[in-house]
Amino acid sequence: DIQMTQSPSAMSASVGDRVTITCRASQGISNYLAWFQQKPGKVPKRLIYASSSLQSGVPSRFSGSGSGTEFTLTISSLQPEDFATYYCLQHNSYPLTFGGGTKVEIK
Amino acid sequence: EVQLVESGGGLVKPGGSLRLSCAASGFTFSSYSMNWVRQAPGKGLEWVSSISSSSSYIYYADSVKGRFTISRDNAKNSLYLQMNSLRAEDTAVYYCSCYPFDYWGQGTLVTVSS
Repeated sequence: DIQMTQSPSAMSASVGDRVTITCRASQGISNYLAWFQQKPGKVPKRLIYASSSLQSGVPSRFSGSGSGTEFTLTISSLQPEDFATYYCLQHNSYPLTFGGGTKVEIK
Repeated sequence: EVQLVESGGGLVKPGGSLRLSCAASGFTFSSYSMNWVRQAPGKGLEWVSSISSSSSYIYYADSVKGRFTISRDNAKNSLYLQMNSLRAEDTAVYYCSCYPFDYWGQGTLVTVSS
């Protein structure tokens, strides 16, 4: 099974900060990596697919990169509506696995 | 507009059964693999099961293998999850999602408690 190690698990940041979240796969997953944002009580929302492709309607301050085992989600300038929990998901092979999540809180 | 609407959640005693349904609309349901994902209270997302478009391929998380059964009815645009031998640790919001996870339902809460 492929393990997805997401870091950090939580972070405090200010509006305007550049934020980077990392997911590391225990073995290569090509670019079968997606990133999701979830706000409390809400449904997860896909932000990035195929490692670096921006979901339609998602602000361009979100970007993804990586291939193989190392992946990054970057928010170039954090906005108030971006405070949420973020998850990565590998869908290269079954069982599919999510990262543990990164909670981005207001500093 | 794509819509996924789950139903069937509720309170059940340990060892009991529930059947979740997911009604799909707004896309060609029969062309897409479908998935169940759950989230225990205050916890992260956990993939549960996937089924291919024609039901030829089915996969389960180890945590539910042998107890849960995923199925679909393409004529009815519906996805199902039969959950047997339920345990307290199965308590969660269950979401259906079409591959590759660009659309999700609103979720249905399953509570396993005596």
